[in-house]
Amino acid sequence: DAGVTQSPTHLIKTRGQQVTLRCSPKSGHDTVSWYQQALGQEPQFIFQYYEEEERQRGNFPDRFSGHQFPNYSSELNVNALLLGDSALYLCASSLSSGGLGTEAFFGQGTRLTVV
Amino acid sequence: AQSVTQPDIHITVSEGASLELRCNYSYGATPYLFWYVQSPGQGLQLLLKYFSGDTLVQGIKGFEAEFKRSQSSFNLRKPSVHWSDAAEYFCAVGESGGYNKLIFGAGTRLAVHP
Repeated sequence: DAGVTQSPTHLIKTRGQQVTLRCSPKSGHDTVSWYQQALGQEPQFIFQYYEEEERQRGNFPDRFSGHQFPNYSSELNVNALLLGDSALYLCASSLSSGGLGTEAFFGQGTRLTVV
Repeated sequence: AQSVTQPDIHITVSEGASLELRCNYSYGATPYLFWYVQSPGQGLQLLLKYFSGDTLVQGIKGFEAEFKRSQSSFNLRKPSVHWSDAAEYFCAVGESGGYNKLIFGAGTRLAVHP
């Protein structure tokens, strides 16, 4: 089992550009959540996808959008990049039927640097 | 709203010494509590979790945590620290209302002296 895989591992973009980050969930998992972790900070919840729909969203602007595909993989898109978007972006997968408190498995993250 | 407080930003211990990392939560009902560990530039690995039942929870890598409702605490402990335990440790609570959104504390960075 490969666990949660994210690509790319590192990315450098210029202010104003757009970026797409990808996540493949752990085998058997159907729910994907995205977190932003600025340097030296804790992860902050961006949104969660289940059944190809955004199910819950954190306090992030509309520049942050996502998608979930039928195979449960997911993309995070960020438009009009700002310097403050530089962070480690973490994907976490879980099983919806696991109920409240089910374990979330995290990927290694994508390090995004905006210059 | 739920919140998690980790009072210690940095902790340094000697290898072989015992360890306790503090975590306090704010939550109206029975919380779902987690401890994660993160090595530099890496993702998060779950050490242990508490949902209900026995208040002393055993995890991986020799870690344990004790849930104390009266103190709203979920402190992480290890009897003997190894140099490889040096990392960032995050306490988290699962948000009520379903969907398992995690709310993290600010983290505690652990340094281990040889």
